[in-house]
Amino acid sequence: DAKTTQPTSMDCAEGRAANLPCNHSTISGNEYVYWYRQIHSQGPQYIIHGLKNNETNEMASLIITEDRKSSTLILPHATLRDTAVYYCIVRVHNQGGKLIFGQGTELSVKP
Amino acid sequence: SAVISQKPSRDICQRGTSLTIQCQVDSQVTMMFWYRQQPGQSLTLIATANQGSEATYESGFVIDKFPISRPNLTFSTLTVSNMSPEDSSIYLCSVEDLGLNGYTFGSGTRLTVV
Repeated sequence: DAKTTQPTSMDCAEGRAANLPCNHSTISGNEYVYWYRQIHSQGPQYIIHGLKNNETNEMASLIITEDRKSSTLILPHATLRDTAVYYCIVRVHNQGGKLIFGQGTELSVKP
Repeated sequence: SAVISQKPSRDICQRGTSLTIQCQVDSQVTMMFWYRQQPGQSLTLIATANQGSEATYESGFVIDKFPISRPNLTFSTLTVSNMSPEDSSIYLCSVEDLGLNGYTFGSGTRLTVV
């Protein structure tokens, strides 16, 4: 699975959009981009995933660049409860097998 | 999506003892995964547990220290053996959730070794 690079930490004002970047320059054609988050003392939670088209669900939007070498997770109206560590992971979809975590981005949403 | 029940949620153990952590899933799954999360760190995969076969361990983890059982398609246990303070971590189980197109995680077991 391709390696990802994320900023260690970010701040965001409550009510503003939080834009979390991820670089995955070695991504393969059949690898998807997944985002998970881990709120303090809980297990990681699935947010969204995509291959090459932009995706949106009730939690977030995922913007993937045309060359697929980077992506951005957007939380449109961040709340204090969105404070968490966000992990960007690339892997083949429904291949089965393990999910490998990087260090993630610690997002702090401030009043 | 799958629902995972993990027990115990936390424990404080004496060094040299062992603790067995249970992971129960509300649906049948082929593979279950065990992770360790040391304080302030990301998740590290310990092993993959398939029903009916021995677990596959990642580099740095051995069966004598972390024996795993997988007696059926909905249940697994991880034992942390001969514990030392360095084993103080959160241990999490996970399954691939095809309905969610992702992975579901248990809430974790917070282990403190004194």
